[in-house]
Amino acid sequence: DTGVSQDPRHKITKRGQNVTFRCDPISEHNRLYWYRQTLGQGPEFLTYFQNEAQLEKSRLLSDRFSAERPKGSFSTLEIQRTEQGDSAMYLCASSFRSYEQYFGPGTRLTVT
Amino acid sequence: KNQVEQSPQSLIILEGKNCTLQCNYTVSPFSNLRWYKQDTGRGPVSLTIMTFSENTKSNGRYTATLDADTKQSSLHITASQLSDSASYICVVSSHRDTDKLIFGTGTRLQVFP
Repeated sequence: DTGVSQDPRHKITKRGQNVTFRCDPISEHNRLYWYRQTLGQGPEFLTYFQNEAQLEKSRLLSDRFSAERPKGSFSTLEIQRTEQGDSAMYLCASSFRSYEQYFGPGTRLTVT
Repeated sequence: KNQVEQSPQSLIILEGKNCTLQCNYTVSPFSNLRWYKQDTGRGPVSLTIMTFSENTKSNGRYTATLDADTKQSSLHITASQLSDSASYICVVSSHRDTDKLIFGTGTRLQVFP
C-alpha cells in the first residue's frame, strides 16, 4: 500500500497518560500535515512540516502537544498528560509541495 | 474570518435518487475549493478540486460547481448508491496560505435501499 499510513488506528488511554501517534506519508511527498477532528465536525489544522522543518503550528496545539519529523520522512505526534477533551480523530495528510493533500485513515483517541 | 459553511447538515435519500449539497465560503483571497468524501472512521478522500477559473468539474457520478462571484459551490450526486453514504466535506484554501485547508463541518448523507 503506497498511501498515507497511521499507527495505531485506535488508542484508549487514561487521563494523564502520554500517547504518541505515528504517520508515514507517501514516499515522495515533502509536506506532512496533522489535523484533529471531533465528532460531527470537519478536521482542524494542527501543524505541518516541509521536510523536517515544522513551518506552522495552530493555536489549537497547546504546549502538551509536540510533533516531530526528524528525518523528513515519518512524523510523530505526542500528547502529554492527556485530557478528556483530547478525545478525537487525529488525521495525517501528505502532499508534494502545496498540491493535493492525501489523508491517512486516522488514529481514533479515546481518553477515559 | 475565513469560514466554510455547508448545508444541509444531514440528508437521507433513497437509492437511485439524485441530491445536491451546498457550500458557502468567506475565504479570501480564494485559491481553490475541494470536495472530500469521508466514510465513517476513515480519512477524507478527494473527489474534486476547482480553482477560480473553473465552473464545474466531474468525477464519475459526482459533479461539483463553483461560483466564485457569490462564493458558493455545490456537489451533485447522480443516481445515488448505498456506497455513497458518507460525510461530504467542502474545503477551501486561501492564496495567503495554500497549505492550511479550511474545512466545512460536512453534510452527512445516508442512502437507503
